Order: sequence, then structure tokens, then C-alpha cells
Amino acid sequence: GENVEQHPSTLSVQEGDSAVIKCTYSDSASNYFPWYKQELGKRPQLIIDIRSNVGEKKDQRIAVTLNKTAKHFSLHITETQPEDSAVYFCAASGDYGGSQGNLIFGKGTKLSVKP
Amino acid sequence: ETGVTQTPRHLVMGMTNKKSLKCEQHLGHNAMYWYKQSAKKPLELMFVYSLEERVENNSVPSRFSPECPNSSHLFLHLHTLQPEDSALYLCASSQSGTGGLEQYFGPGTRLTVT
Repeated sequence: GENVEQHPSTLSVQEGDSAVIKCTYSDSASNYFPWYKQELGKRPQLIIDIRSNVGEKKDQRIAVTLNKTAKHFSLHITETQPEDSAVYFCAASGDYGGSQGNLIFGKGTKLSVKP
Repeated sequence: ETGVTQTPRHLVMGMTNKKSLKCEQHLGHNAMYWYKQSAKKPLELMFVYSLEERVENNSVPSRFSPECPNSSHLFLHLHTLQPEDSALYLCASSQSGTGGLEQYFGPGTRLTVT
């Protein structure tokens, strides 16, 4: 089955700097890669996702890149702000004979943005 | 209330108690999920219901028993739990099929087993 590895487990940056979180996956059938943000005491919320027919997707200060050959995808946050502090989870899901599989999550990255 | 709601938000129970967690989605989705979230572990998928049928049971102990009476409601019945079952239990919903896989999460139930 699918296995998703996420690094680093913790990341501390200065306000205004960029933050990069990386994930690798094992199943070449995976074709959907979302990123969720979970603030302390709150529910995970989707912030951006990418499908395997696209190499990069951007939404304001956040972007996700996908390298299908290497089976890794990354989340990039530019001009970080204190409100970006949260735990970020990557996930992967595959298409199995026309049926989309379940999301497999990484262990999460705790991002701290220091003012 | 909109989105996905869960009750109760906090629950403390003894190992011999029986309790139930409730999840309700107001998004018109047809798939619902139970996840367990423990400290320093990834989100662990427990159960998946699609069109009110259980399609996945990820080797979850029988002391956890799910129930999906309709596409909007999902329950997790708990009995004779162990202290290691203490965790945040998250419910989620999505629209299955080719429309996308975005899962909407509820706020979770923080469960403590004493």
C-alpha cells in the first residue's frame, strides 16, 4: 500500500522568510496530493492540492510542486507570517481502476513562525 | 451549523463505560470517515463509509463500532476502551467519485480513557 514520508517534523523560521516542507510517496498510482493545515485545537483544513497532471500550483503565498518521477511533492510558503504557525500534513491518494483510493497522510510538520 | 459537526467535543470515560461519538455533515456529501489522531503520529484512517456502506475497516479493534444510518450521520460506538485509545477522533466527509477528494473535517472529539 501507499506510504507517505514527511520532513521535517518541526520547522522554525523568522517572519518574512520562506518555509519548505517535503513529502515522498511510494505508490506510483497516486495522483492526488493535498496539503492540510491544522492550527492548535482546530480541525485540519485543506489549503492547496495538486493532481498528477500538473507540476506546480500556486495560490498567493503558498505553492505546491510535484515531481512524479522522483515521487515527491513539496509545500512552499513565502513571506511567512505568525498566523502561518500550525501543523501541516501532506497526503496522497491513488486511482485504482477508476476508483479513487483513500488519503494516506504524512506525520505532519509543526511550523513555527517567529515575529 | 454548516460543514461537519461532532459531538461531544470532549469525553472522559472509564474502561468499562459505553459511549458514542456523533458526526453530522451538512455538505451533501456521500462519503464519511473516522480518523484517530494521536500525538506525533499521522492521521490514522479507521473507517470509511461510501453511500452508507462500510467500504473500509483498517484493522480497528472491535471495541470501536461504527454506524452510518444515512449519508449525513456517522457514529462511533465505544466500549471497554483502553488508555491507549485516548486521542482526538476526527470525522470527515467528501464527495466520492471523480469530483475530487477534498475532505472536510469536523472539529474532533477529544477522548480520554481513564
